[in-house]
Amino acid sequence: QKEVEQDPGPLSVPEGAIVSLNCTYSNSAFQYFMWYRQYSRKGPELLMYTYSSGNKEDGRFTAQVDKSSKYISLFIRDSQPSDSATYLCAMSDPLIIQGAQKLVFGQGTRLTINP
Amino acid sequence: DGGITQSPKYLFRKEGQNVTLSCEQNLNHDAMYWYRQDPGQGLRLIYYSQIVNDFQKGDIAEGYSVSREKKESFPLTVTSAQKNPTAFYLCASSTRSTSGGGRYFGPGTRLTVL
Repeated sequence: QKEVEQDPGPLSVPEGAIVSLNCTYSNSAFQYFMWYRQYSRKGPELLMYTYSSGNKEDGRFTAQVDKSSKYISLFIRDSQPSDSATYLCAMSDPLIIQGAQKLVFGQGTRLTINP
Repeated sequence: DGGITQSPKYLFRKEGQNVTLSCEQNLNHDAMYWYRQDPGQGLRLIYYSQIVNDFQKGDIAEGYSVSREKKESFPLTVTSAQKNPTAFYLCASSTRSTSGGGRYFGPGTRLTVL
């Protein structure tokens, strides 16, 4: 079983729809949760960062963490064609091994917003 | 502007050749990383370095080598021992803070074996 599971999609929705992207994980030690956005042929960029459980909102984006279910979500409201990208979840625990915190990525979900 | 640069953007390699991918950052970050990205597999860690003249193997280090002679630079060599090198390679950096380990990524180098 992979430490982090993410539905690879692809996911295609009409402009203006609410999008839900999800990841599940197995390591209960994970405390930090991130979402990265990656446009085609580009490097990932950090979109949202959450520590422990709860919600965090930034404009049209909301990150949600449910540690009891080992489940994280990213919601995109009023989706735009410019949101079309691959979204990667990532998570880490506080443990430092050989000087670094291990960051585990999901496989990424490819999202297309249709005008 | 602060950031990470990678070169070249596209690289073609013949069987049996070693090639070196460049990564430079001006973010004053101590830590630097190399990831490999294949379709449907997310990002896999190849090597990382927390400090100059020191580096550690990641999950898939076989067939790769790195050096860290300067804080700003972390080149990756893909050797002929790497059996399936065609992939998208991403360099990243971070502070040595313990708060989450979030990475800043470069634009990537796409390596194709001919």
